[in-house]
Amino acid sequence: DSGVTQTPKHLITATGQRVTLRCSPRSGDLSVYWYQQSLDQGLQFLIQYYNGEERAKGNILERFSAQQFPDLHSELNLSSLELGDSALYFCASSVRDTYEQYFGPGTRLTVT
Amino acid sequence: LAKTTQPISMDSYEGQEVNITCSHNNIATNDYITWYQQFPSQGPRFIIQGYKTKVTNEVASLFIPADRKSSTLSLPRVSLSDTAVYYCLVGDLNAGNMLTFGGGTRLMVKP
Repeated sequence: DSGVTQTPKHLITATGQRVTLRCSPRSGDLSVYWYQQSLDQGLQFLIQYYNGEERAKGNILERFSAQQFPDLHSELNLSSLELGDSALYFCASSVRDTYEQYFGPGTRLTVT
Repeated sequence: LAKTTQPISMDSYEGQEVNITCSHNNIATNDYITWYQQFPSQGPRFIIQGYKTKVTNEVASLFIPADRKSSTLSLPRVSLSDTAVYYCLVGDLNAGNMLTFGGGTRLMVKP
């Protein structure tokens, strides 16, 4: 158990819909990262927040957005969903900017 | 961002020591070397991180030669539960190099 929690574990929705994925980082960690892992793309970095502020952006689509709240939990919002958005979405956290990150169990999103 | 090369797959038997080598010829001065383990449908798990020489923790050892152009993850006495994909990552988050996972090494431990 990494100490990072993600909800929900599974999500099934239809194309065109909007969903919100939630992540609670390890106690004391200020950085939260979001990753997408699909079968054909591997693990892709989406976005990082540090203590409430956006820190870095990766391959995140404009239909996707995220935020980190004052209690440090984070939410990833995915809108106008397409079939290709079906993937595992992982959240990770760390104390500071480091490659030593702790990943949550992921949310499996299925878009039908 | 330093490019890494590691074997696509490896086989081993229970109780053996497994060494997985990663090449990173263009590693930068501030780059760290980090290894992750991932089981199917689970999040990657941080194993070990090092900068030079040798680092050891309760799970693995990481050997880094003086030129830092390669590194070796050593797993002592593997068990069936060590069957997983192992990723070598090289970079410095402070330099803006986000964690980039390549294909990794698929380790199969046989009884």
